[in-house]
Amino acid sequence: AQKITQTQPGMFVQEKEAVTLDCTYDTSDPSYGLFWYKQPSSGEMIFLIYQGSYDQQNATEGRYSLNFQKARKSANLVISASQLGDSAMYFCAMREGGTGNQFYFGTGTSLTVIP
Amino acid sequence: NAGVTQTPKFQVLKTGQSMTLQCAQDMNHEYMSWYRQDPGMGLRLIHYSVGAGITDQGEVPNGYNVSRSTTEDFPLRLLSAAPSQTSVYFCASSLGVMPFNEQFFGPGTRLTVL
Repeated sequence: AQKITQTQPGMFVQEKEAVTLDCTYDTSDPSYGLFWYKQPSSGEMIFLIYQGSYDQQNATEGRYSLNFQKARKSANLVISASQLGDSAMYFCAMREGGTGNQFYFGTGTSLTVIP
Repeated sequence: NAGVTQTPKFQVLKTGQSMTLQCAQDMNHEYMSWYRQDPGMGLRLIHYSVGAGITDQGEVPNGYNVSRSTTEDFPLRLLSAAPSQTSVYFCASSLGVMPFNEQFFGPGTRLTVL
């Protein structure tokens, strides 16, 4: 089974609107971390936001927030007030506490912000 | 801090040639890893290391070797390049293997095997 599933290959959003990128995960480990990375067309991987499995509150970093629904095993990224510079690939990832040796990535979502 | 550095940025090989992709980090991170990124497949783990002298295989290790003689360096060797190894390769590191340890990525190496 896939550890991380991103079901939206491509998304479009109007500038200044909010957008949600979906991510579901699969683990039986009670301790895990969830991450989102951004990959612009220049190719580098940029860390955006982290959510721990024991965190009571949803993580936020500026315009990025993580909608963490533990029972549903989902960790959706919400980008508010989209900007043209948000156009990029976005990857969801997970690291488990029991076997933190592996970092599992989803296949990514390509976001295009329309002016 | 330079972070995670990779060389070269671009490389073209002929089938059967060997080469080493270099990766170094100056953050004293214990964990280092190599990924390949192919269209539509996300990042797939090739090999990883949890400390100097310790390496292990990831999801797609065939055709690649690694070693970790120092904390700073984690080179990836292609033994006999094949066109299927055409990809973008990323090296990454993290302080440890705890769930909250994010990974920091190098800029990537774009490899083409003819």
